[in-house]
Amino acid sequence: DAGVTQSPTHLIKTRGQQVTLRCSPISGHKSVSWYQQVLGQGPQFIFQYYEKEERGRGNFPDRFSARQFPNYSSELNVNALLLGDSALYLCASSLNDRVRDTQYFGPGTRLTVL
Amino acid sequence: GQSLEQPSEVTAVEGAIVQINCTYQTSGFYGLSWYQQHDGGAPTFLSYNALDGLEETGRFSSFLSRSDSYGYLLLQELQMKDSASYFCAVRALNSGNTPLVFGKGTRLSVIA
Repeated sequence: DAGVTQSPTHLIKTRGQQVTLRCSPISGHKSVSWYQQVLGQGPQFIFQYYEKEERGRGNFPDRFSARQFPNYSSELNVNALLLGDSALYLCASSLNDRVRDTQYFGPGTRLTVL
Repeated sequence: GQSLEQPSEVTAVEGAIVQINCTYQTSGFYGLSWYQQHDGGAPTFLSYNALDGLEETGRFSSFLSRSDSYGYLLLQELQMKDSASYFCAVRALNSGNTPLVFGKGTRLSVIA
């Protein structure tokens, strides 16, 4: 069975640019969450989407936005990139079980901002 | 909000047993989860404790004590491939959707 897929795997941008990251969830999963992970830290929640609606937003500036498509894939957009946005961006899909909600992570997109 | 504390690094010998602790400060949560992440890889789910007590999954066990605000992951018969980072995580008890909050992780090094 195919797991969560993300593209691209690596990305290099310069300050001020914009970036779009893509994610396809596990078949049957309708919930997609995005996380930012900087080196040496745990994943930090950015967004959750379920059935194309935003269900949660973490403590990130408005430069971060996301959306979910009818096929449940998702995009994360980051505008006006800063050096501090350099991180591993992880997408996770789940069944949106309110209690346990096990996250199935994709391999991530490594973003480097120069 | 939620706050989870884990040791930053642990080193253990191949074949031994290691315990990774997680203490937390949160008003209420559904359960305690554990994830494993190898260098360059994605986090993968290991274990979940909804209730107090021990959950066993093969060589891995996880424990939760809500009264002590404490949990741990126990790895037995350590193998070199267990070298990875381990994260505890909780979801706050709420009427709406709440995100999974991760600790900063414990880097486990298994040595020969």
